[in-house]
Amino acid sequence: DGGITQSPKYLFRKEGQNVTLSCEQNLNHDAMYWYRQDPGQGLRLIYYSQIVNDFQKGDIAEGYSVSREKKESFPLTVTSAQKNPTAFYLCASSLGGGALEQFFGPGTRLTVL
Amino acid sequence: SQQGEEDPQALSIQEGENATMNCSYKTSINNLQWYRQNSGRGLVHLILIRSNEREKHSGRLRVTLDTSKKSSSLLITASRAADTASYFCATSTGANSKLTFGKGITLSVRP
Repeated sequence: DGGITQSPKYLFRKEGQNVTLSCEQNLNHDAMYWYRQDPGQGLRLIYYSQIVNDFQKGDIAEGYSVSREKKESFPLTVTSAQKNPTAFYLCASSLGGGALEQFFGPGTRLTVL
Repeated sequence: SQQGEEDPQALSIQEGENATMNCSYKTSINNLQWYRQNSGRGLVHLILIRSNEREKHSGRLRVTLDTSKKSSSLLITASRAADTASYFCATSTGANSKLTFGKGITLSVRP
């Protein structure tokens, strides 16, 4: 089955800790994205990557970091610098540029204790 | 500020009725997309309409785009309880630009 997976589904973190969210796709898509969703809100773009070994900041990149060493993987690290990290995180991919249809993973719900 | 804003914020209808949701945006677009999100899940792409298109259909979905009014509507005909979800519009201003999502519309379809 082709698709995009995220793990874990639920994640708990203590304040001051860094945590990494996994995102993997086997759709052979060039572009990948990380979004944050807060209750009752739309999606806000954190980081995106249009090609391996390249990525750009989105609208709310502060306190987050990413890497894109492999085409199929785009992990997101939530650092201790992110002041309000509790949220639902969604990863997506698309065949090419950002204007195309995006395929989403099931999401990771991060809670800071 | 959000490029796309949906209206209404919440909609409750009876099964079998039609549901109409609207999206307005501020700047010129390359395309507009509609997505559905079931509670606690990822988004699912429904339909993409390009700036030079006025209407598209996909099954029970009908999307219109009025670039002069900078607005789009999503019509779901003969709604089902399974259509209960949040619906988002997303706009793109260029071929390589990012998607900007609205805050979404919560649709409840009563059996």
